[in-house]
Amino acid sequence: AQSVSQHNHHVILSEAASLELGCNYSYGGTVNLFWYVQYPGQHLQLLLKYFSGDPLVKGIKGFEAEFIKSKFSFNLRKPSVQWSDTAEYFCAVRAGTALIFGKGTTLSVSS
Amino acid sequence: NAGVMQNPRHLVRRRGQEARLRCSPMKGHSHVYWYRQLPEEGLKFMVYLQKENIIDESGMPKERFSAEFPKEGPSILRIQQVVRGDSAAYFCASSPLPAGGPGDTQYFGPGTRLTVL
Repeated sequence: AQSVSQHNHHVILSEAASLELGCNYSYGGTVNLFWYVQYPGQHLQLLLKYFSGDPLVKGIKGFEAEFIKSKFSFNLRKPSVQWSDTAEYFCAVRAGTALIFGKGTTLSVSS
Repeated sequence: NAGVMQNPRHLVRRRGQEARLRCSPMKGHSHVYWYRQLPEEGLKFMVYLQKENIIDESGMPKERFSAEFPKEGPSILRIQQVVRGDSAAYFCASSPLPAGGPGDTQYFGPGTRLTVL
């Protein structure tokens, strides 16, 4: 069955620290991958997406993700986090018509 | 360009009542998806609709749940005879392109939080 696994449930960082959030997926078809972010009190927003081509994808607000096919991974990175990055982050893979989401990682950034 | 709109944002129902959740897609989007998020869980796909058609309802519970997307007006997710286990956040997403097509991206609304007493 298709699934998405996010390894970290809650990550706590200080401002300026580097961030890497893990995401592994299980899906046998053509892979479209997404990272969404949900800031406190707001709706899900698209951070970045991968459909094809360059496996290193750049998104909004300085985020990037790398698709590694051999590892079935699509990890999210940011070199230097800010307090405003405090949010919940969801990785998703498209399987047919639906998106399959991971359970999310809560990122808390202290100033 | 307004984003995906959902109303109400919060809905409280007693067991046995009906819940109606509305979703207005982004302008120009004719593809709508409904997802449910239970506490401590990720979003789970429920149904995919185009105007006047249900395309994929593989994630919908077999009973009490229905969805529609009429030619005019918002998409409606309807839950009859609600039970406590229906308490969750229900998210709608829309897309300008058919599901699975090149470049297809879903844009999400703010969600409706349903509480069943």
